Amino acid sequence: QQQVKQSPQSLIVQKGGISIINCAYENTAFDYFPWYQQFPGKGPALLIAIRPDVSEKKEGRFTISFNKSAKQFSLHIMDSQPGDSATYFCAASAVSGSRLTFGEGTQLTVNP
Amino acid sequence: NAGVTQTPKFQVLKTGQSMTLQCAQDMNHEYMSWYRQDPGMGLRLIHYSVGAGITDQGEVPNGYNVSRSTTEDFPLRLLSAAPSQTSVYFCASSSPGNNQPQHFGDGTRLSIL
Repeated sequence: QQQVKQSPQSLIVQKGGISIINCAYENTAFDYFPWYQQFPGKGPALLIAIRPDVSEKKEGRFTISFNKSAKQFSLHIMDSQPGDSATYFCAASAVSGSRLTFGEGTQLTVNP
Repeated sequence: NAGVTQTPKFQVLKTGQSMTLQCAQDMNHEYMSWYRQDPGMGLRLIHYSVGAGITDQGEVPNGYNVSRSTTEDFPLRLLSAAPSQTSVYFCASSSPGNNQPQHFGDGTRLSIL
């Protein structure tokens, strides 16, 4: 049973475009929602994270939008670059960040 | 600064063999975790530890054992390898408390024949 569902599975965008990845969760006890970026042959690395007391968080070209009532959150990558090509995972945890529940992952390809 | 170091990077086993995946961190993190990554399933938590001497099961613990005798090390043992355990295994560590990012190693790619 996947408690965090992520879509799409794969995404292809042109350089300069906007990449949008969506996640939905079931467990209302989740209170920490990070996004991880993973390059081939490497472990995931934290990209940006949000807590449910805010609806949006922006760091550079990366923005998380959070809808608590719908139990959904999304990652927006503005001005997408070929270097952004990677696999992106949403995740969630309750109380402490030691136990993360991950989404299935999205493979993003940004064409030059 | 090495961060989280996993060894070996690659391993091929035969069904029924046992082995230990090593994980070490040099950031003095109390929390350590093991995940497995399978295509289309994201990362799933196997076991985790909130400090030396304390471990607990995650989502998919069957067939795996862990122990935490020191803060730095958190080995994962496969007792009797099965083809279903073919996966990429990631170790992670973090400081305690909310919103602390988990730092991942670069993984061990394990194939069970």
